[in-house]
Amino acid sequence: AQSVAQPEDQVNVAEGNPLTVKCTYSVSGNPYLFWYVQYPNRGLQFLLKYITGDNLVKGSYGFEAEFNKSQTSFHLKKPSALVSDSALYFCAVRATGFQKLVFGTGTRLLVSP
Amino acid sequence: DTAVSQTPKYLVTQMGNDKSIKCEQNLGHDTMYWYKQDSKKFLKIMFSYNNKELIINETVPNRFSPKSPDKAHLNLHINSLELGDSAVYFCASSPRQGTTGELFFGEGSRLTVL
Repeated sequence: AQSVAQPEDQVNVAEGNPLTVKCTYSVSGNPYLFWYVQYPNRGLQFLLKYITGDNLVKGSYGFEAEFNKSQTSFHLKKPSALVSDSALYFCAVRATGFQKLVFGTGTRLLVSP
Repeated sequence: DTAVSQTPKYLVTQMGNDKSIKCEQNLGHDTMYWYKQDSKKFLKIMFSYNNKELIINETVPNRFSPKSPDKAHLNLHINSLELGDSAVYFCASSPRQGTTGELFFGEGSRLTVL
């Protein structure tokens, strides 16, 4: 069975500082990994995905994520946080050949001015 | 143009009533989903249809019945509503089954059962 763990309920960072939101996964076979962001009272928006190839994936709004197979991790990063990045972030995994996308419990990112 | 649209956006109703939420996507995708987000923001898949065929049916009470009249529409009907059904229900779509495509989500339908 697929599963995703986001160990931090909330991450606090000052504007301009780098941010990291952690994600680890468990899946049989090769994973397809995704990050989504949810702003208050909105649907989820796709940020980036890892399918294959380069372990460093770049996505929307300056976000990037690094796939680490040995640590089964897919942490989301941004070099310089903005207050407008404050939102709820979800990591998700899909096993190769399966349609079901399983989400983590979400991490609230709070960027202070 | 909204890619994935859900109606209604808000729904307040009494226990025991029956209600429906409609979803339409104009992305030309073959696969559609219903997800439930509870009060703790946890997202759980409920159903998925691929070109009108049910392909994912999680352990959801029989009171929930999805219907897909065509591949652009996926509706959710809920019978005999209970307090625990209160949640935000998200519709999503993705390219055809088995691909690496991401999901595109609607804005959600917030259901409150009193």
